[in-house]
Amino acid sequence: DAGITQSPRHKVTETGTPVTLRCHQTENHRYMYWYRQDPGHGLRLIHYSYGVKDTDKGEVSDGYSVSRSKTEDFLLTLESATSSQTSVYFCAISESWTGARGTGANVLTFGAGSRLTVL
Amino acid sequence: QKEVEQNSGPLSVPEGAIASLNCTYSDRGSQSFFWYRQYSGKSPELIMSIYSNGDKEDGRFTAQLNKASQYVSLLIRDSQPSDSATYLCAVVYGGSQGNLIFGKGTKLSVKP
Repeated sequence: DAGITQSPRHKVTETGTPVTLRCHQTENHRYMYWYRQDPGHGLRLIHYSYGVKDTDKGEVSDGYSVSRSKTEDFLLTLESATSSQTSVYFCAISESWTGARGTGANVLTFGAGSRLTVL
Repeated sequence: QKEVEQNSGPLSVPEGAIASLNCTYSDRGSQSFFWYRQYSGKSPELIMSIYSNGDKEDGRFTAQLNKASQYVSLLIRDSQPSDSATYLCAVVYGGSQGNLIFGKGTKLSVKP
């Protein structure tokens, strides 16, 4: 168990309001990610972090910012939420993985997800 | 353009049959390939990884990779109703941690 906790799990907000989603991990993983998942688009990377205060943009970063001031926390902020940001947001960590089903890096373990509705 | 293509399905198979899920990718230089399973309302979970051409088997699951054809597949033998889920193909582009690209997923339904 990678010990990933996302909060809040569900949120309804109005257009134009700021929203922050939190991802907390307990196992000191270096890499953390934020994805969004929408019907017809699959999972798309928003931002990722490769260390404290080290972040980079993903495929769909417009309208989002992130911060990582501690190894265990990766925050995703929507400065002014829009209806197009209604989605399910998944946090993930990356770890090397060895087991019966394979070995290697770049293996993602996901949190339970945060469902955001922007009205 | 980094693309991972999957047939969206739904793919319906009877219980006990072999389910075959397919995925193609656009970057010939890709080296790492994954299959994730996602139950409705849940988060994706890794079920197989493959890095070399050929087959890799784990229980009822077999991942197949053909880099020349840029093709990855997942076979599920003796399919069970509990295998009903969406299966996501994922490909690492450029060897970077941040470049894991997911397909849109294939929905599998196993009928009792």
